[in-house]
Amino acid sequence: DTGVSQDPRHKITKRGQNVTFRCDPISEHNRLYWYRQTLGQGPEFLTYFQNEAQLEKSRLLSDRFSAERPKGSFSTLEIQRTEQGDSAMYLCASSLPGVHGVGGANVLTFGAGSRLTVL
Amino acid sequence: AQSVSQHNHHVILSEAASLELGCNYSYGGTVNLFWYVQYPGQHLQLLLKYFSEDPLVKGIKGFEAEFIKSKFSFNLRKPSVQWSDTAEYFCAVIPTGGGNKLTFGTGTQLKVEL
Repeated sequence: DTGVSQDPRHKITKRGQNVTFRCDPISEHNRLYWYRQTLGQGPEFLTYFQNEAQLEKSRLLSDRFSAERPKGSFSTLEIQRTEQGDSAMYLCASSLPGVHGVGGANVLTFGAGSRLTVL
Repeated sequence: AQSVSQHNHHVILSEAASLELGCNYSYGGTVNLFWYVQYPGQHLQLLLKYFSEDPLVKGIKGFEAEFIKSKFSFNLRKPSVQWSDTAEYFCAVIPTGGGNKLTFGTGTQLKVEL
């Protein structure tokens, strides 16, 4: 499988619990992105990695959210002390390396997402 | 910061009808533009992209989009829709001069009836 893989696909948790999502990007893609999508909305940017460096974080990413990409390959997104408002689809995407803003470096390939339900 | 507006939230068409979905963006510089599609139960897929070449861009499955710089628009078109085009369509923009954030519109839900 050469696509972006996300795990788990579905997670149901109780308010206050911690959850972690994993993303495995396409192997030759050095850029990795996390987005969040709620019903009736388009995906919203959360954070971005180039290799292992987290280069940008959205203001949507509160201090309860942390993302890592320790070896520049897979990434994890952890949400601590979940709240009902965290219920959403968490999407991971990756893109090719290259001069940013030019050509294939801006074409994001998305995974199927991890759906979080906080009760 | 850039933003994207999709004015049609829900569109219902009969098979063989023509389609045009509106997309307008807000950003002062040069941009790359995209349309992504999400079929029921599937993940987001790239439909077509604009990277500063011909303003009329052709994508997969007979879709095309026209970039009109003066109108900040990137409308999606298809001359004859099929039932299998039922999906949610998202327009997205990213500045070419820097910035890592691909910004999406709220999406248009298209239903094609037989």
